[in-house]
Amino acid sequence: GQNIDQPTEMTATEGAIVQINCTYQTSGFNGLFWYQQHAGEAPTFLSYNVLDGLEEKGRFSSFLSRSKGYSYLLLKELQMKDSASYLCAASLTGGGNKLTFGTGTQLKVEL
Amino acid sequence: EAGVAQSPRYKIIEKRQSVAFWCNPISGHATLYWYQQILGQGPKLLIQFQNNGVVDDSQLPKDRFSAERLKGVDSTLKIQPAKLEDSAVYLCASSLARTAGNTIYFGEGSWLTVV
Repeated sequence: GQNIDQPTEMTATEGAIVQINCTYQTSGFNGLFWYQQHAGEAPTFLSYNVLDGLEEKGRFSSFLSRSKGYSYLLLKELQMKDSASYLCAASLTGGGNKLTFGTGTQLKVEL
Repeated sequence: EAGVAQSPRYKIIEKRQSVAFWCNPISGHATLYWYQQILGQGPKLLIQFQNNGVVDDSQLPKDRFSAERLKGVDSTLKIQPAKLEDSAVYLCASSLARTAGNTIYFGEGSWLTVV
C-alpha cells in the first residue's frame, strides 16, 4: 500500500525557520511534491523533487532522500501569511499522473 | 493565465438528494482530475481523465458517483444519491500531460455539506 506520514500540526515564530518533515512508503515512486493550502482555498504548488538533494526557491527549500523515503520542506524568514496547511504528495509511476497525499501539516506562525 | 474554475463553490443538500459539480480546466491541459478532500485529510483521487477518456477511476464509488468529460475540456462530477459521508470539498485539477511528475493545478473546490 501507499503510506505518507507528516506531523499534524506545528507552531513557529515570525522570522524563524521551520522544517516540515514527510516520510513515505510507496510502490512505484517517481518524485515528491509539496503544496501549500490556505483555509478554504486551493492547494498551490510549491516544489517538486525527483533527484536526491536540496532545491531552493526563495524562502522555501525542499529536500529529498529517495533511499530513506524522506523529504522535508524548509521555510525561512517566516511570515504570518505562511500560516497554512502544507501537503506532501508522492508522485507514482505506473500509468497516469497519480499523487498520493499525506494528511497535511497545519503550520501556525505566531508573533 | 486563468486557473481551474469550479462551480458551485458551496452546496448544502439532504441525504439521498443529488448534486452536480462543474469544472473548467486550465486552457490546453489535457489531463483533468477530481479529488475528494475530507476535513483534516489530504486530497484523494476519485477519477482522472486524459482528454475525454478515463485513465483511472479505481477509487470512484461508482454506485453513486459519476463523472464525464464529453468534449475533452469541461467536466461534471455527479453524486446520486448523496450520503452523509460525502460531505467534503471536491477539488478539480488539471495538468498539461498525464506523465508522472507533471505539476497538477487545483481549483478552489466545491464544498459539499450533506445533512
